Amino acid sequence: DIQMTQSPSSLSASVGDRVTITCRASQSIRSSLSWYQQKPGRAPNLLIYTASTLQSGVPSRFSGSGSGTDFTLTISSLQPEDFATYYCQQGYSTPRTFGQGTRLEIK
Amino acid sequence: QGQLVQSGSELKKPGASVKVSCKASGYTFTQYGMNWVRQAPGQGLEWMGWINTNTGNPTYAQAFTGRFVFSLDTSASTAYLQINSLKAEDTAVYYCARDRYSGGSYEDYWGQGTLVTVSS
Repeated sequence: DIQMTQSPSSLSASVGDRVTITCRASQSIRSSLSWYQQKPGRAPNLLIYTASTLQSGVPSRFSGSGSGTDFTLTISSLQPEDFATYYCQQGYSTPRTFGQGTRLEIK
Repeated sequence: QGQLVQSGSELKKPGASVKVSCKASGYTFTQYGMNWVRQAPGQGLEWMGWINTNTGNPTYAQAFTGRFVFSLDTSASTAYLQINSLKAEDTAVYYCARDRYSGGSYEDYWGQGTLVTVSS
């Protein structure tokens, strides 16, 4: 199975900050990487797929980059509604695997 | 705009079975596969597998072979997850999520989740 490792596991930031979360795959997954946001008690919400394609309806302050084994999710200017947990997931091979999550908290 | 609506919370005793439903609307059910994802209390997301809604062929992640069964009622645009011989460690929220592919697989629409609690 492909292992996905996110860093950091948690992060404190302020409204307006630029934030970057990284995700590393244990082997190349080309661009088969998606990012999800999950708020407490809610289902995950797709933000980005194929490493850098923004899902319809997702604000443009979210962006993704990377290929191969190293990927990043960037939020250009944090808004209050962005404080949540973020997960990466590889869709290159079965079983699909998620990173352990990054909890983004208000500083 | 697609939507997935799951059945309500369940409280079951160890050894019992549970069947969670996921009803799709707003799109052609058989054109997209359906995934199942588990989230134990306070834990991350775990992909359980998916079912091809056109052929009915399921694929299970290794940890979910044996007691877990994916099924369909295509006439009702509904996918099901059945868990047999429930154990306390099956306590979790279970999500269904529509399958998509674009240079790699991902899930775009998610159900609201179904909490399954296993307790004596």
